[in-house]
Amino acid sequence: GAVVSQHPSWVICKSGTSVKIECRSLDFQATTMFWYRQFPKQSLMLMATSNEGSKATYEQGVEKDKFLINHASLTLSTLTVTSAHPEDSSFYICSARDGQGLQETQYFGPGTRLLVL
Amino acid sequence: AQSVTQLDSQVPVFEEAPVELRCNYSSSVSVYLFWYVQYPNQGLQLLLKYLSGSTLVESINGFEAEFNKSQTSFHLRKPSVHISDTAEYFCAVSERGQGGKLIFGQGTELSVKP
Repeated sequence: GAVVSQHPSWVICKSGTSVKIECRSLDFQATTMFWYRQFPKQSLMLMATSNEGSKATYEQGVEKDKFLINHASLTLSTLTVTSAHPEDSSFYICSARDGQGLQETQYFGPGTRLLVL
Repeated sequence: AQSVTQLDSQVPVFEEAPVELRCNYSSSVSVYLFWYVQYPNQGLQLLLKYLSGSTLVESINGFEAEFNKSQTSFHLRKPSVHISDTAEYFCAVSERGQGGKLIFGQGTELSVKP
């Protein structure tokens, strides 16, 4: 199947700093990528839909000024957590959509674990 | 609004026993249904999906799920589990025409014991 990578796999930062997480589709082009957040022992919560060449669509309750999403190419989307605080510590997972309609499949990255001290 | 409910948060079973992980959804429109598996500290892997056609779908490692429209369910089953099946399993739904947005259930932790 298709491969999605994330970088970094884990990051520790000080409170108040910004952290950028990259999501790449390695062997296919993805016009749409998704960003999720997962707390320990909980499900994935969709944060935003990232569309290549346009603004991201955020889910209700997600601060767009805090979680900046850029989808500048068909293989790369980035999530920047600005002025991170301890409550932003979480597991962030991206996915990339391949195909359309009945041929559509979402492939997930391995996740990025963020710890804000 | 669509939602997904996984009725069991934890399912402990012995190796070679059968297992069923339950999933119910609610939606006012047609949906696609998915089961994903997550091993510790890893991302999600697609296990199987229902898009259309036969309501019984199978994965390559022995899991199967059946779409039941009248009961709005998509339960996952395996007749004989292995230790290596120990993982977190997520049921997800995507509404047709919604750009592929996935809504996940709470997850079921399958623990297979020897």
